[in-house]
This record gives sequence, C-alpha cells and structure tokens, in this order.
Amino acid sequence: AQSVTQPDIHITVSEGASLELRCNYSYGATPYLFWYVQSPGQGLQLLLKYFSGDTLVQGIKGFEAEFKRSQSSFNLRKPSVHWSDAAEYFCAVGAMEYGNKLVFGAGTILRVKS
Amino acid sequence: KAGVTQTPRYLIKTRGQQVTLSCSPISGHRSVSWYQQTPGQGLQFLFEYFSETQRNKGNFPGRFSGRQFSNSRSEMNVSTLELGDSALYLCASSEGTNPTYEQYFGPGTRLTVT
Repeated sequence: AQSVTQPDIHITVSEGASLELRCNYSYGATPYLFWYVQSPGQGLQLLLKYFSGDTLVQGIKGFEAEFKRSQSSFNLRKPSVHWSDAAEYFCAVGAMEYGNKLVFGAGTILRVKS
Repeated sequence: KAGVTQTPRYLIKTRGQQVTLSCSPISGHRSVSWYQQTPGQGLQFLFEYFSETQRNKGNFPGRFSGRQFSNSRSEMNVSTLELGDSALYLCASSEGTNPTYEQYFGPGTRLTVT
C-alpha cells in the first residue's frame, strides 16, 4: 500500500528566505510523485510531478523538488519565498496500477512573515 | 478552456438526508475522480470514473456512490448523511486514467451536515 508522510504541519518563513517542505513516501514499485498547493477556499493546483528521469524537477511559481529513492523522499524547495506563497502544500503519490487514485500526505501549512 | 466545475459550492443538510453533488470536467476529459477533504482525515480518495465505468474505489462505506454520464459529467451521492460526512468534496478531471495524465481539480463543494 502507498503512504505519504509530511512531517511538518506548519512552517513559517520570512519573505525572501528559502523554503524546503519535506515529503516521505512508501511504495514498493515505481512511484509517481506530485506536489499540489491549495489556497483557502480553493481546489488543488499542481506545482510539479516526478515520474522518471532527472531526479530534480522544476515546477511552476519557481518551485523545484528532488526525488531521492534511497531516502524515499521528494522534498519541495523554493529559493526565495513570496508572501503570495502562503498556502497549504500537499505531497501525493500515485501508481499505474491504481489509475488516477492519489494518496496524499496530511499537508503542510506555510506562513510567510513580512 | 473552462476549468472543472462543481455544483453546488455550498450545501447544508440534516443527518439522515441524502445529497447529490455534481462535477463537470474539462471538455475532452473522460476521467473524473472524487476526494473527500476533512481536517481530521485529510484528503481521501473516494472513486474514479472513466468512460462511465468505475475504475477505482476508496475505502468508504456503501452510502457513498457515484456515476458518470456519457458526456463525462459525474455525480456523487451520499445517503443517510452522518455528521462525519461534513467535508469539502473535490473532484478532479483528466484525459486518461493513469498518473501520467495531469489531474485538474475543481473548487470543491463544502457540505455541512447538522
């Protein structure tokens, strides 16, 4: 069975500072990994995804994530956070055998200090 | 293209009643998935429909059901509502039924059961 752990429920960073959100997954075969962002009252927006190939993937809004198979991790990073990045971030894992079913982590709420 | 549309956006029901939620996918998308989002359980997969057939189902009781029409619009139904069914229900549409296809989420229907 698949599972995703996001160890940090809340993270607060200053505007302009760098950001790293942690994600660990559990899945025996090849995982399909995603990061989504959700603003209050909104649906989910895909930031980036990893299927195979280069383990460093670039996404929208200046985000990137690195897949590390040995650590079962897929951490999200941004070099300089903007106030508009304040939102909730979800890591998710999918698999071919499960169709479009995604298993999500509990989410990390990002607060940005000005 | 118009995005994923969910109706209604907000709903208040009483315990024991039933409710039907609607999801209109992006034009050309044949897969619709449903998720329940609650503060306690997070985002949980309900089911996925593709070309009018249920492809995957999550671990929810039989009170939760869904269907998909020939125009790819989908409905989900919850019968005999319980207080714990209060949640944000999100649907997502995609062109295909594996994780290589991007899923686009709607804004959700906020269901409150009193």
